[in-house]
Amino acid sequence: ETGVTQTPRHLVMGMTNKKSLKCEQHLGHNAMYWYKQSAKKPLELMFVYSLEERVENNSVPSRFSPECPNSSHLFLHLHTLQPEDSALYLCASSQDLSAAHSGNTIYFGEGSWLTVV
Amino acid sequence: GESVGLHLPTLSVQEGDNSIINCAYSNSASDYFIWYKQESGKGPQFIIDIRSNMDKRQGQRVTVLLNKTVKHLSLQIAATQPGDSAVYFCAENILGGGADGLTFGKGTHLIIQP
Repeated sequence: ETGVTQTPRHLVMGMTNKKSLKCEQHLGHNAMYWYKQSAKKPLELMFVYSLEERVENNSVPSRFSPECPNSSHLFLHLHTLQPEDSALYLCASSQDLSAAHSGNTIYFGEGSWLTVV
Repeated sequence: GESVGLHLPTLSVQEGDNSIINCAYSNSASDYFIWYKQESGKGPQFIIDIRSNMDKRQGQRVTVLLNKTVKHLSLQIAATQPGDSAVYFCAENILGGGADGLTFGKGTHLIIQP
């Protein structure tokens, strides 16, 4: 148990569907992230939120829409996805954006397996 | 391009033996490195980290070695157990970068044979 909870764990959706992934962290962290993990590829950072403000969008297509209503919750809204979007989507959190240098680190959830059919 | 990578995609070792997983990085400015373990169906889990002002750091059954001269990082796991089977990957960060600046390698799949 890492303190970062993702739901659903598995999701199958059609290309015309609208669905959302949810992430909740119980660690009191101020920064949250969405990553995409595809087969045989490194983790790809998608979005970064700090204190509920989006600070980074790594050229992610608009069919992925993040939302951070508060510092404990992060959503990824999905709309008209493509089969190549099928992947493991990981949510993560850290104390703050400078966590990597303060000795803290990023804590990952167990991921949401997404299959687009 | 990717500045962090792993030499071997799969490593198979006998239970009880020591495992060494390697990682190469190309950015000389990187000053912070992390090893993660990702078990099947789970998210990555922090194992150990090291800063560039250190050459070695030990944890419980794990040791990370950093060779800045050749930009090489390794993870040593002592007396491997079945529960060590997982994908291991390293991550680096550059000086001044935040947690959002972490660059991840592709991973090495460690298989423990009985």
